[in-house]
Amino acid sequence: AQSVTQLGSHVSVSEGALVLLRCNYSSSVPPYLFWYVQYPNQGLQLLLKYTSAATLVKGINGFEAEFKKSETSFHLTKPSAHMSDAAEYFCAVTSNQAGTALIFGKGTTLSVSS
Amino acid sequence: DVKVTQSSRYLVKRTGEKVFLECVQDMDHENMFWYRQDPGLGLRLIYFSYDVKMKEKGDIPEGYSVSREKKERFSLILESASTNQTSMYLCASSPTGQGALGEQFFGPGTRLTVL
Repeated sequence: AQSVTQLGSHVSVSEGALVLLRCNYSSSVPPYLFWYVQYPNQGLQLLLKYTSAATLVKGINGFEAEFKKSETSFHLTKPSAHMSDAAEYFCAVTSNQAGTALIFGKGTTLSVSS
Repeated sequence: DVKVTQSSRYLVKRTGEKVFLECVQDMDHENMFWYRQDPGLGLRLIYFSYDVKMKEKGDIPEGYSVSREKKERFSLILESASTNQTSMYLCASSPTGQGALGEQFFGPGTRLTVL
């Protein structure tokens, strides 16, 4: 069975600081991995995805994530936080079958202070 | 611009009522999903559908049913609402095909309160 674990339900950073949100996965088949973001009172939107091409994936708004098979990790980073990055972030995994539902982590709330 | 719309942003119902949550997508997507989102639990899949009139149970289908009579519309039904179904409900859709694998498009959510 597939699963994802997000380490830390809340992360607080200062504006301009590095953002690091942690995600570890478990999968018996090659995984496809995703990060979604949810801004207040909105639905989720895709930040980036790993689908077995490049292990370093760049997404929107300056975010990137690196797939590390040896560590079963897919951590999300951004070099310099902005106030507008404050949101809830979800890591998700699916098998390599088209149309298969995603399995989401429990989410990490990112707070950014000035 | 792709769009998934949900019939209500906020809904208040009484225990025992039959509740319908509607979701419509305008992207001609084959797959549609219903999740519920609760603090500290993330998103949990209730049901999904990969074609008209087809449905599959997700992780927490108990107390829910779904209907997909048309490709663009996916309805979630609470047969007899209970207080433990108070939650945020999110609908999503996705196309079939390797190029778009896993990318789901979400509606804004319906916050349901059952009294």
